[in-house]
Amino acid sequence: QKEVEQNSGPLSVPEGAIASLNCTYSDRGSQSFFWYRQYSGKSPELIMSIYSNGDKEDGRFTAQLNKASQYVSLLIRDSQPSDSATYLCAVKSRRGTDSWGKLQFGAGTQVVVTP
Amino acid sequence: GAVVSQHPSRVICKSGTSVKIECRSLDFQATTMFWYRQFPKQSLMLMATSNEGSKATYEQGVEKDKFLINHASLTLSTLTVTSAHPEDSSFYICSARDLRTSGVGTQYFGPGTRLTVL
Repeated sequence: QKEVEQNSGPLSVPEGAIASLNCTYSDRGSQSFFWYRQYSGKSPELIMSIYSNGDKEDGRFTAQLNKASQYVSLLIRDSQPSDSATYLCAVKSRRGTDSWGKLQFGAGTQVVVTP
Repeated sequence: GAVVSQHPSRVICKSGTSVKIECRSLDFQATTMFWYRQFPKQSLMLMATSNEGSKATYEQGVEKDKFLINHASLTLSTLTVTSAHPEDSSFYICSARDLRTSGVGTQYFGPGTRLTVL
């Protein structure tokens, strides 16, 4: 079982709709969770971080964390063609196994927003 | 914000030569930086963790003598690909950990270096 799992997609979303991305992780003691966006040929760009159960909103993005169920999700409201990219879920596992802040990355979900 | 730069952005070299890539944190100090490699349409692969003032920690399967890492200051880490071969052609990306926002830190990525070995 991979430590961080995402559906690879592509997830096709009509412009203006909500894109919903899911991510599950295996380490129940994980503490920190991040969503990165990666355009083709570019490096990842941080979108959001979330540390506590519940929702966190930033503009059109909402991250949701449920530690009991070991999943974290990302919602993109009012999707735009410029949101077409691969979205990477990253998890920092429990303290003690790694003191340097190493992240476990999912393989990414490709999102395609269609006009 | 947290800005990380990489240089060069693109390099083409002949087989057998060595290539050095620099990663700099521009507006924060980073005791820890990470080096990743990404092949086309594949996931990020962590190569090594670079810690200021100490030896890098390499992931399993990554040859430390081939990929030399030096983290000589709080804002600079370098990756040298020694005796590069065509199979080393890839997109190399560094990230730096910013501890200002949380105790765990947040990783910010550089723009990446595309290496092509002929």
